[in-house]
Amino acid sequence: DQQVKQNSPSLSVQEGRISILNCDYTNSMFDYFLWYKKYPAEGPTFLISISSIKDKNEDGRFTVFLNKSAKHLSLHIVPSQPGDSAVYFCAASGVGGGSNYKLTFGKGTLLTVNP
Amino acid sequence: KAGVTQTPRYLIKTRGQQVTLSCSPISGHRSVSWYQQTPGQGLQFLFEYFSETQRNKGNFPGRFSGRQFSNSRSEMNVSTLELGDSALYLCASSLGDGNEQFFGPGTRLTVL
Repeated sequence: DQQVKQNSPSLSVQEGRISILNCDYTNSMFDYFLWYKKYPAEGPTFLISISSIKDKNEDGRFTVFLNKSAKHLSLHIVPSQPGDSAVYFCAASGVGGGSNYKLTFGKGTLLTVNP
Repeated sequence: KAGVTQTPRYLIKTRGQQVTLSCSPISGHRSVSWYQQTPGQGLQFLFEYFSETQRNKGNFPGRFSGRQFSNSRSEMNVSTLELGDSALYLCASSLGDGNEQFFGPGTRLTVL
């Protein structure tokens, strides 16, 4: 039972264009969402997060959008750069204690930005 | 601030052996979580420790255990290793109140 789904295993875009990575979730108890980037042989690096009380959060070239009614979030990277090529993981958690201090990850999307 | 460190970075063991992995969190972080990453299953949550207590546990067998020390450093132990335990084991630390988790580089465990 996969609670966080990234349905596109890979995505290829041209340098300078927009990259859009998508993520769906099924657990309505999730109310905090994060995106991580991972290079081979390294641990995931935190990119950006969003709380369920917001529908958008922006940090430089990275913007995360949350559609709570659709249980969908997306990460936009504008403009895309070759150094952005990595695996991107969507993760979700429930803030509030108890069993919610864990991240549930999607299986990742490999982004390739071509020069 | 120094990041999360994990030792060793690489480990080769044989079936039936046991292994202990170590994680030092970012200074001031009181929560340490462990994850297993495999190609087929992605990143899966093992357990989380906060102030030396296991606060949360994933769906792994009892062969996987952990502990946290008073300085927040954590160890993870896997007993009676199986071939399927070959994976990248990642440790992440956080302040512990639901904030973002910061990952170490991982320990690559190979079971032969």
